[in-house]
Amino acid sequence: EPEVTQTPSHQVTQMGQEVILRCVPISNHLYFYWYRQILGQKVEFLVSFYNNEISEKSEIFDDQFSVERPDGSNFTLKIRSTKLEDSAMYFCASKEAWLQGALETQYFGPGTRLLVL
Amino acid sequence: AQSVTQPDIHITVSEGASLELRCNYSYGATPYLFWYVQSPGQGLQLLLKYFSGDTLVQGIKGFEAEFKRSQSSFNLGKPSVHWSDAAEYFCAVGNSGGSNYKLTFGKGTLLTVNP
Repeated sequence: EPEVTQTPSHQVTQMGQEVILRCVPISNHLYFYWYRQILGQKVEFLVSFYNNEISEKSEIFDDQFSVERPDGSNFTLKIRSTKLEDSAMYFCASKEAWLQGALETQYFGPGTRLLVL
Repeated sequence: AQSVTQPDIHITVSEGASLELRCNYSYGATPYLFWYVQSPGQGLQLLLKYFSGDTLVQGIKGFEAEFKRSQSSFNLGKPSVHWSDAAEYFCAVGNSGGSNYKLTFGKGTLLTVNP
């Protein structure tokens, strides 16, 4: 069964450093998402991406964050200058095209646990 | 703005007992509703979803959920819990305003299963 993959599974970085989290969505999917889950808190939406552009972003997704689909298979989340509060589990998700009258599922990857020291 | 409330942070049941996990949502229109499960170290796996039609939906692993519009609820149930069901369960609502819906999650309910 196709699945969303994410690398690395764990990342430790120093405050102020740049990190890139990578995701490979399911191959025929067209909608891509990043969510995060700070330890002990709920899963929060960060950004959605469709047709090579951001379609929606949350208040969390400020100028320090960016997303890219560089090569048609990977979907990346970059944090330019990490802060302590960016420590969280980051989930990538993907969804196939809109089907009239149907409800497509967002499939989640296993997550990348980011620790900022 | 849409929101989800899962009133129970932690539930403990005995293996073989029935289970109900509560979920209340707030959303102005007809919601898309989901239950996901997260096992330790794993990602989020979809258990079931509600879009329209029959308000009782069946999911994987023997789970089911009932959409009750009058109570703004989407409670998850299972008649007989197995030890492997121990995990964290998240209810989520998707905004139905377009194809590119985002999910808003509840805080989750941690399920412990006693032998």
